[in-house]
Amino acid sequence: ELHVVESGGGLVQPGGSLRLSCEASGFTVRRNYMTWVRQAPGKGLEWVSIIYAGSDTYYADSVKGRFTISRLNSNNTVYLQMNSLRPEDTAVYYCARDWGGAFDVWGQGTMVTVSS
Amino acid sequence: QLVLTQSPSASASLGGSVKLTCTLSSGHSNYAIAWHQQQPEKGPRYLMTVNSDGSHSKVDGIPDRFSGSSSGAERYLSISSLQSEDEADYYCQTWGTAIRVFGGGTKLTVL
Repeated sequence: ELHVVESGGGLVQPGGSLRLSCEASGFTVRRNYMTWVRQAPGKGLEWVSIIYAGSDTYYADSVKGRFTISRLNSNNTVYLQMNSLRPEDTAVYYCARDWGGAFDVWGQGTMVTVSS
Repeated sequence: QLVLTQSPSASASLGGSVKLTCTLSSGHSNYAIAWHQQQPEKGPRYLMTVNSDGSHSKVDGIPDRFSGSSSGAERYLSISSLQSEDEADYYCQTWGTAIRVFGGGTKLTVL
């Protein structure tokens, strides 16, 4: 069975940093596209970032230059390094496998709160 | 610009049926989309992919009550024999080179 589990969320002050992790099981992250999606409280889903199997990375304009997606093949884990955090980054962050463009395996999410 | 448009809300009776719509922006009418369900206080769940020709591929375990179709730039999710657990937010999602896009979501209320 295919699963992803996110971790690393928490409370951080504006301007701070946080690193989220997404551990996959049942499939290999280095052979798949992996993506991060977020959902602010009471709002809809927003795509954040994607890493291709070939390691190309892409970002939503709202996070470009502040967030970095990466993966560690030995841990079968994808990461999202978030710097210069803003209150508007407050959201549940979901990791998902991108299967031909559709997000077919979702995690349960990890909450990030940016507040002083 | 690749944009998906959904109505914010829909409602239908228990045991009835509903058809949710997702509209692709101009110039993108040949794109496939994915439908995701998000029940209250839960993470999203992938339901199916709907192609421009109306064909759809569902995930194992999704009931036959759920089906997809297409017409022009519109992609549909139809749900029949509505049950209380179908009350949820439904998001469409599409993709292009270096970009992924969500619609705003439709909140389905089962009366």
